[in-house]
This record gives sequence, structure tokens and C-alpha cells, in this order.
Amino acid sequence: DAGVIQSPRHEVTEMGQEVTLRCKPISGHNSLFWYRQTMMRGLELLIYFNNNVPIDDSGMPEDRFSAKMPNASFSTLKIQPSEPRDSAVYFCASSSLTAGSNQPQHFGDGTRLSIL
Amino acid sequence: AQKITQTQPGMFVQEKEAVTLDCTYDTSDPSYGLFWYKQPSSGEMIFLIYQGSYDQQNATEGRYSLNFQKARKSANLVISASQLGDSAMYFCAITTNAGKSTFGDGTTLTVKP
Repeated sequence: DAGVIQSPRHEVTEMGQEVTLRCKPISGHNSLFWYRQTMMRGLELLIYFNNNVPIDDSGMPEDRFSAKMPNASFSTLKIQPSEPRDSAVYFCASSSLTAGSNQPQHFGDGTRLSIL
Repeated sequence: AQKITQTQPGMFVQEKEAVTLDCTYDTSDPSYGLFWYKQPSSGEMIFLIYQGSYDQQNATEGRYSLNFQKARKSANLVISASQLGDSAMYFCAITTNAGKSTFGDGTTLTVKP
């Protein structure tokens, strides 16, 4: 089975540019998570969706960040305008979250973002 | 709010020995899941083991076992017979039934030959 697919794997862009990160969750999973990992702040949950609906976006750092999930098989995380402090590894993860149970999250390989 | 605390930034273990990585948690949710993930130097996040808050028995998965002490709010990971390939960062995480996940800061494990 295909795992969580993220693209691009690496992105280098200049400050002020718009950045779009993409994620395809595992088929059949109904929850999707976006994380950011840095040395300073560790692994932070930015936002998560359940059945394509954003449930908690309290981790989104500021209005420059936005995330969408137009359907069950695709999500985007957008940064506009980007800043050097946004440089990090961004992970997407998916899981099959059903009432009364917990399932592990399956992570993509991450997008390594560098803002110059 | 929920929180995960991993008090060991770094740990060393001799190859073939067992090692315990500590994790304590805090949550007001009565139902939750505890997870351990491994992140090798290549960067991917690998799921290792899961423990549900209502599970009576400690979870085991091959060389991994989870020492779950609910009253103490601890969920320590035990790796038996350490291998060089176990050298990695290990994260403890909690997820509530609502889906909210929180990860600890991680413990870097180094296995010595």
C-alpha cells in the first residue's frame, strides 16, 4: 500500500514568495495532520482535519499560514508570504480516527523547506 | 490541554542490552492513546507501538514494549536487545479521541557497539 505522499521533498525559495506544500493521505484514512519540525521548537502540530473538516488550527503560527483539504485524498499547506523563520521540515500524517479508538499516525517523508 | 514530557534528551546503551526511555503525560481526557515513534537520522517518522488508556495489559511489539503506569501517568518505552540500527530519536505522543496530538521533545538514543 502506498503511504502518505508529500511533495515537494525539498523546497528552496526566497523570502516573500508563496510556498505550497502538498499531501496525499493514505486511502481510507479520515484524519490528516500537518506538523512542523525545527531544532528549536521540536515537532509542532499545526492543524488537523477530520473528514476533510479543519478541527483544530490553534497551532498555525500566524495568518501567513493556511491549510485546505478539498477532498479526502489531497491537502495543501500554504505560506504566503514566506519568511526565513519558516524554514523547517513539514510533515503530513494521516490516520484512521474512529470514535472510541485511536490509531497511529502514518507520516510522509516530509518537505524540507528553506527560505532564503 | 495535554502535555508530554521526555526528561532524557540523550541516552546511551550498549549493543544487546535493554534500555528504557521515559515518558510522562498529562491530559484531562479520560480516553486517549499513547504512541512511540522512531526518527532515524534519515528523517522519517516510524510508528513503533501503541497503548490505549483503557488497555489492561502493556503493549508489546517485537523488541519494543510499553511500560504503562496509568496512575503515574507514565508510558515508558523498553527496547530489549538493542541493535546499532536502534540509534535514533524517539518520540512519545498522546492523542485524544478528538484527534488532538501532542509530541514530546524526543530522546536521542545512541547504541554503542
